[in-house]
Amino acid sequence: EDQVTQSPEALRLQEGESSSLNCSYTVSGLRGLFWYRQDPGKGPEFLFTLYSAGEEKEKERLKATLTKKESFLHITAPKPEDSATYLCAVRLNTGGFKTIFGAGTRLFVKA
Amino acid sequence: EPEVTQTPSHQVTQMGQEVILRCVPISNHLYFYWYRQILGQKVEFLVSFYNNEISEKSEIFDDQFSVERPDGSNFTLKIRSTKLEDSAMYFCASRDDPSSGGYTFGSGTRLTVV
Repeated sequence: EDQVTQSPEALRLQEGESSSLNCSYTVSGLRGLFWYRQDPGKGPEFLFTLYSAGEEKEKERLKATLTKKESFLHITAPKPEDSATYLCAVRLNTGGFKTIFGAGTRLFVKA
Repeated sequence: EPEVTQTPSHQVTQMGQEVILRCVPISNHLYFYWYRQILGQKVEFLVSFYNNEISEKSEIFDDQFSVERPDGSNFTLKIRSTKLEDSAMYFCASRDDPSSGGYTFGSGTRLTVV
């Protein structure tokens, strides 16, 4: 069964304290791995797409990396405005390119 | 920046009633999706739609659900006879190329079935 697992469920950081979020996946056919940010009561906001092992993408304080079985979202010197739920999603190689989501990591950054 | 627009933002309905959730995707996008998120749970795939037909659907998307693109701009999700367990946030998303890049999601419609 195709599955996406994120850890930890929640992460509390002090402002400036760097850390990483993990996404592990077991899928039959990978078309891409995505990271989204979701604020309470809002739709997911697209951050990154990764397609192959070894690929890295960066945006401001965020950096996403991909291996054959997992992805990491590294947060460098986070600020309170980085507080959100970060979702990992995997697009399958199916007819409709279905995307399945992990449960997310809730990040809290305290000033 | 282009947006996906969903209406209404919140809908309360009686169990057994029909509801229609509306979405206006980004104008040059051709691939459309509905997802739902029950409070505190994962974002779940419902259906993908391209060229006026369903390209894929999940086991959640049973005979009570239907989608339609009635004109060149709107994309709707209909639930024929709502159940309590249909209460969730429903997100519409669109994409110009389904095989690459992320989706643009709308802000969602919170459906409450009472």
